[in-house]
Amino acid sequence: ILNVEQSPQSLHVQEGDSTNFTCSFPSSNFYALHWYRWETAKSPEALFVMTLNGDEKKKGRISATLNTKEGYSYLYIKGSQPEDSATYLCALGKSSGSARQLTFGSGTQLTVLP
Amino acid sequence: DVKVTQSSRYLVKRTGEKVFLECVQDMDHENMFWYRQDPGLGLRLIYFSYDVKMKEKGDIPEGYSVSREKKERFSLILESASTSQTSMYLCASSLTGNGYTFGSGTRLTVV
Repeated sequence: ILNVEQSPQSLHVQEGDSTNFTCSFPSSNFYALHWYRWETAKSPEALFVMTLNGDEKKKGRISATLNTKEGYSYLYIKGSQPEDSATYLCALGKSSGSARQLTFGSGTQLTVLP
Repeated sequence: DVKVTQSSRYLVKRTGEKVFLECVQDMDHENMFWYRQDPGLGLRLIYFSYDVKMKEKGDIPEGYSVSREKKERFSLILESASTSQTSMYLCASSLTGNGYTFGSGTRLTVV
């Protein structure tokens, strides 16, 4: 079983603060790293898919970076808003015959206080 | 709007009952998945299917079975429900190599 770790487990920030969290994964047989955003009572929603070392993706105030050699990805939120409150999941896809399936971390639960 | 639909949002069942959780997708995706989500443990893969009538065990298949008779439908079966199977169950589908589209989840309570 792959070990995908996310830290911190939970985070409270004030509205307007910028924040970031980490996803760590084994770097061997890397295929893709996915980030999802999961709001309470809704379905997890895809944010980014990254495949290349050094990839950087951006969507509004949210961005992500990828380092496949050292096995980590950062998710950044600039100027957090209450609507950013959600659980952020990262997931690893491996290349060895299981490109179909993703292994998820346990998530970082973000609460943005007004 | 493309989607994955899970038949029930909330379900309460008794210990020992046979439970069916249904999932339907309208995107013609070949891959479908069942995960459970428990606090502090993240999403854990129970079973997945990459084609009709094909299935593979995930990380925690014990106590579960699945059925995929049609491409759009993937059913999770709890043969004899136990309290340890109280959880949030998420279905997802994908094209190979792409990200997942998730259903909205079924919160199952076994009493």
